[in-house]
Formats: sequence, C-alpha cells, structure tokens
Amino acid sequence: LAKTTQPISMDSYEGQEVNITCSHNNIATNDYITWYQQFPSQGPRFIIQGYKTKVTNEVASLFIPADRKSSTLSLPRVSLSDTAVYYCLVGLFSGGYNKLIFGAGTRLAVHP
Amino acid sequence: NAGVTQTPKFRILKIGQSMTLQCAQDMNHNYMYWYRQDPGMGLKLIYYSVGAGITDKGEVPNGYNVSRSTTEDFPLRLELAAPSQTSVYFCASSYSGQGARTGELFFGEGSRLTVL
Repeated sequence: LAKTTQPISMDSYEGQEVNITCSHNNIATNDYITWYQQFPSQGPRFIIQGYKTKVTNEVASLFIPADRKSSTLSLPRVSLSDTAVYYCLVGLFSGGYNKLIFGAGTRLAVHP
Repeated sequence: NAGVTQTPKFRILKIGQSMTLQCAQDMNHNYMYWYRQDPGMGLKLIYYSVGAGITDKGEVPNGYNVSRSTTEDFPLRLELAAPSQTSVYFCASSYSGQGARTGELFFGEGSRLTVL
C-alpha cells in the first residue's frame, strides 16, 4: 500500500489559491489518487480523483507529475467554508482489491 | 436515496459491555468499510469487505468483529468495550468496477461512542 505524506496544517486567506501537496513515493502502477474533504463532525466527502497529468472539476484541480510520486490539490479562491481537513488517498480503484488507508490529512484554516 | 445509514448516532457504554454498530447502504456497492476517528486525528481503517461473505482486517482490528451476510449490511461488533474504543465510527461504501469515480467512498454520518 502506498503511504502518503501531507503537511499537517496550512493557513490561507479568503480569495487566495491554496495548493496542498501529497507525497506518495511508492505509488503502484494501477493506483489512482483521490482527495477528500472533511468538516468537523462529518464523514469525508470526495473532492477529486486522477491518475496522471491534470484533472479539473467544479471545485478543484489535481496536478500529477509524470513520475506520479506526488500530487497537488489546488483550491482556487478559497472562502471561509473551505476550512476543513483534506486527505490524500492512493489506491487501486478499478476492479482491484481496495484497502483504502487515510493519512493524517492537512488541516486548512482560511482566515477573513 | 438514503446512501449510507449508521445507527445509533450516539451511545455510551460501560467497560466490558458489548454492542453492535449498524451500517446499511442502498447503492448496491460491493465494498464497505469501517473507520474510527479519534479527536483531532485522521481516520483509521478497522475492517473492510469486498463483497458478501468476504471481510478482511484493516489497520486497527483488535477488539472488533464484522460480518457481511448481505450486500447492503455491514455491522461492526464490539465485544468487550474499553475506554480506548471511545471514538467516532464511520461506515463507508464504494463501488469497485469500471467507470468514472470508481472507488469513491460514500460515508455515513458517524456513530459517536463513549466508553466509561
């Protein structure tokens, strides 16, 4: 299983772009990279998933370099409501054995 | 569409008591998971299941048992409750196959357990 490493915490201000990087040096060939967001007293919710290069959806972008040993979640123009814990997961998602391990996550605080 | 339903939402147990946390999903997902989350910490995988009749240990299985007799249900059993099991428990499910966002985890609202 690929272990992930993320910064413990980050601070930002409203309207700024936030980039959170996750290191996963031993990612396997078939592993996908997924990011989740968790608010207090709630279960995590899916943000974005990718395999390589760049993926963009309505809330975030995910950048994955060619060697796939890291990935960066980009949140454009954050607001106070983006204050949450963000988790990076690496695992096999397509028809494989799916033992999904969460790391410690990154606690993002957005200030006015 | 209910998604993942967990019961109870809150429970207080005495040391040595037993109980079962219930989890049900109505999305026909083949994978189901139990995680625990201690205050200020990340999620730890307790057990998971890849289909009815198949379960396996996660990171922290000691003190817990699971069963998966149907696709929909995945109960978590605590046999002899200990203070160290005070935590918030999350059940999740996912579909593992082909298609967009395969493997996306859908979480329940959590069950807050206190062992005194």
